[in-house]
This record gives sequence, C-alpha cells and structure tokens, in this order.
Amino acid sequence: GAGVSQSPRYKVAKRGQDVALRCDPISGHVSLFWYQQALGQGPEFLTYFQNEAQLDKSGLPSDRFFAERPEGSVSTLKIQRTQQEDSAVYLCASSRTGERKTQYFGPGTRLLVL
Amino acid sequence: GDSVTQMEGPVTLSEEAFLTINCTYTATGYPSLFWYVQYPGEGLQLLLKATKADDKGSNKGFEATYRKETTSFHLEKGSVQVSDSAVYFCALSGTSGSRLTFGEGTQLTVNP
Repeated sequence: GAGVSQSPRYKVAKRGQDVALRCDPISGHVSLFWYQQALGQGPEFLTYFQNEAQLDKSGLPSDRFFAERPEGSVSTLKIQRTQQEDSAVYLCASSRTGERKTQYFGPGTRLLVL
Repeated sequence: GDSVTQMEGPVTLSEEAFLTINCTYTATGYPSLFWYVQYPGEGLQLLLKATKADDKGSNKGFEATYRKETTSFHLEKGSVQVSDSAVYFCALSGTSGSRLTFGEGTQLTVNP
C-alpha cells in the first residue's frame, strides 16, 4: 500500500514568511509524529498526535511552530515568521494502534530559509 | 532523559568487508531499539528492531542484538555491498513516551 507522503518536497522561503508543510499518513494509522532533521544530524522530535489529539508538543522549538491534525488523518506543520535556523528537513512518521513504537517515515520536506 | 550514542563516522569499507556500527543507549526501563537507514534524498526506512533484552533483529543480512547488560545495539553485516552505502541511525523508543530518540547517524560508504 501507499506509504507516508509529504508535500512539498522542497520549499524555499524568505525570512519572515509563513510556511505550511503537509503530511499524509498511511491509511488507518492512528499515531502521527513530526521530526526536524538538521544537516548531518539525527532527527529530533517535534510533536505527536493520536487521532486528532495532540498529546505531546514538547519538542516544538518556539511558539512560531504549530501543528494540527483536525480530522485525525492529514496533518499540517506551520511555521510562522520563518528564521534561517528553521532550515532543515521536516520528517513525518505514522504508526498503527498497538504498534505505536514502530514508526514509518515519509520522504521529508526540505525547507531552506533565505 | 533518553539518549543514543553512535560511533562516529564516516565509515568507508571495501565490498564484501565486515561491518560493525556501534550503538549504546541510556534510558529508563526497557526501551524498544531500532536501526533506520537513510539513502540519499530519501526518508528513513526501518531496517530492523528489537523490543526486549536478548532479542535479535535481522533484515537484508544486517543483524543487531539487544544487550541490556551493556546497553548496546550494535549493527553488523558479514559482507557489505556497494548498495549498502547510506546513513544509518540507531534509535530508541522509551517507556515514558512514543517519541523516537535518535543517534547522530553514521555515514557508510562501500567501494567496489
């Protein structure tokens, strides 16, 4: 079946612009995660949803970052007033109920803030 | 908090050489342990996992054994191929939450 998809794959933004990154999880996956991967580093946790509920947002680096999953399927990560330090790859992952510790990743969105 | 430490890279091997990438972790309780692989321009792919002590995960000739006594999950392969060139990430999922905690990754290059 189809895997996790993300769009856009690449995004260039001018500093101060708002961006929205989309994630389509695997159909039927209850849990959805966002991670940020800086160049040459491992991914770092941002936030976690179970269905539409955002159960953990402790990894969001500032109040400029906001994530939602209103219908428990597609999720959007929004970054307001982008800064150069926001440049990274943003990865989305999903997992099934009862198997929540095995996460399946999308290809990522590479964000470059100029 | 939880943490994962991987051997520093990059690692360069010749085809058919033996591979070991070391991974140690710090976590409370009994975390689940994973190896993910990232090919250039792609997202992370699950390579193998182990959910309890002494479990061995294996896939595509790669193996790793969950060693509670040494808090390690070293990745091994007996004979690497050029197509194994990628970045390898060790990760854990702790008992206190659902998030994955990753190591910094090890770049592997296999030359023909």
